[in-house]
Amino acid sequence: RKEVEQDPGPFNVPEGATVAFNCTYSNSASQSFFWYRQDCRKEPKLLMSVYSSGNEDGRFTAQLNRASQYISLLIRDSKLSDSATYLCVVNPGGSYIPTFGRGTSLIVHP
Amino acid sequence: DVKVTQSSRYLVKRTGEKVFLECVQDMDHENMFWYRQDPGLGLRLIYFSYDVKMKEKGDIPEGYSVSREKKERFSLILESASTNQTSMYLCASSEMNTEAFFGQGTRLTVV
Repeated sequence: RKEVEQDPGPFNVPEGATVAFNCTYSNSASQSFFWYRQDCRKEPKLLMSVYSSGNEDGRFTAQLNRASQYISLLIRDSKLSDSATYLCVVNPGGSYIPTFGRGTSLIVHP
Repeated sequence: DVKVTQSSRYLVKRTGEKVFLECVQDMDHENMFWYRQDPGLGLRLIYFSYDVKMKEKGDIPEGYSVSREKKERFSLILESASTNQTSMYLCASSEMNTEAFFGQGTRLTVV
């Protein structure tokens, strides 16, 4: 079983739609969680950290469910500029190495 | 503004050449990483370093080596470049349990 799993998509949604991605992780000792955004042929960039209590940044909401070992990202009112690949990242407890999912592709169309 | 800088954005090398990819970070981070990214395979860890002169193999170290002589610099070396090492190479740095910051990537083509 992969340590961090994501549905690769693509998720193809119209502008204004709400879309949600999930990411499951296998290491129950994982301590920190992040969502990254990666545009085509560019480096991944931090979108937001994911806190136990859940957190929101504008149209983006991230949640953590430790009992079921998944994190989620909700995007409301999708914009064309949200088209990208979204990477889930988990830092296992006691490890130096962040573990990346393979990413979920989002395409927002007019 | 935090920065991770990779020495080249695009690189074309010949099969059998020794290739050096350089990465410098200005955040005083302990941890540095080299990944390669290929379509459909996601990010794969080649090597990482958690301190000066310390290095550990990642998932795909074969054909690569690394050097970390100074805290801010982490170099990836392709001992004898081969066509299957054509890829996007990404350097990152972080502190433990915090977010990783990436360089802009080096798109290497081996011909």
